[in-house]
Amino acid sequence: DAGVTQSPTHLIKTRGQQVTLRCSPKSGHDTVSWYQQALGQGPQFIFQYYEEEERQRGNFPDRFSGHQFPNYSSELNVNALLLGDSALYLCASRTRQGPQETQYFGPGTRLLVL
Amino acid sequence: LAKTTQPISMDSYEGQEVNITCSHNNIATNDYITWYQQFPSQGPRFIIQGYKTKVTNEVASLFIPADRKSSTLSLPRVSLSDTAVYYCLVGSYLRGRQLTFGSGTQLTVLP
Repeated sequence: DAGVTQSPTHLIKTRGQQVTLRCSPKSGHDTVSWYQQALGQGPQFIFQYYEEEERQRGNFPDRFSGHQFPNYSSELNVNALLLGDSALYLCASRTRQGPQETQYFGPGTRLLVL
Repeated sequence: LAKTTQPISMDSYEGQEVNITCSHNNIATNDYITWYQQFPSQGPRFIIQGYKTKVTNEVASLFIPADRKSSTLSLPRVSLSDTAVYYCLVGSYLRGRQLTFGSGTQLTVLP
């Protein structure tokens, strides 16, 4: 049973560019969340997708957008990249069967903005 | 959202038992307590979750007192590979709430 997978593993972009990160949830999971983790910090919640719609959003500008596909996989898009967007981007998935289902994380995508 | 307070760092030696305590004074009735482990440049890995009293699995134990205002993650006989950041999260997915990560505790296991 594959866990949460993310692609690519590493990415280098320049300021002003746009980037798309991809995530496939753990088998049986239908809810995907994205997090940004800057060096030395804990992960910060960006947004969550369920039934192909954004359900919750953290304190991130609308340069950050996403999408969920019918197979529950998800994309995170970041436009007009800033140097401060350099971080580890994590995808997490879970089911919505209960109030406290365990959330499983992928290995992350390391984004460097130059 | 319940705020958590953990020590910034802890050192231990191989073979010792490590206890990391997390304070969460304003935990809500529906909140669970979840601990994650994270190695550098990897995603957090679920360790254990509990609501009250004691929970034990193959890697750790979680002790939660009756008032639930704190919890203690216990790692038996740590090894060098247990060196990682440990996060305590308090929350519930009810009504669309999200779990919030704090800064975590950097555990360093020394030989």
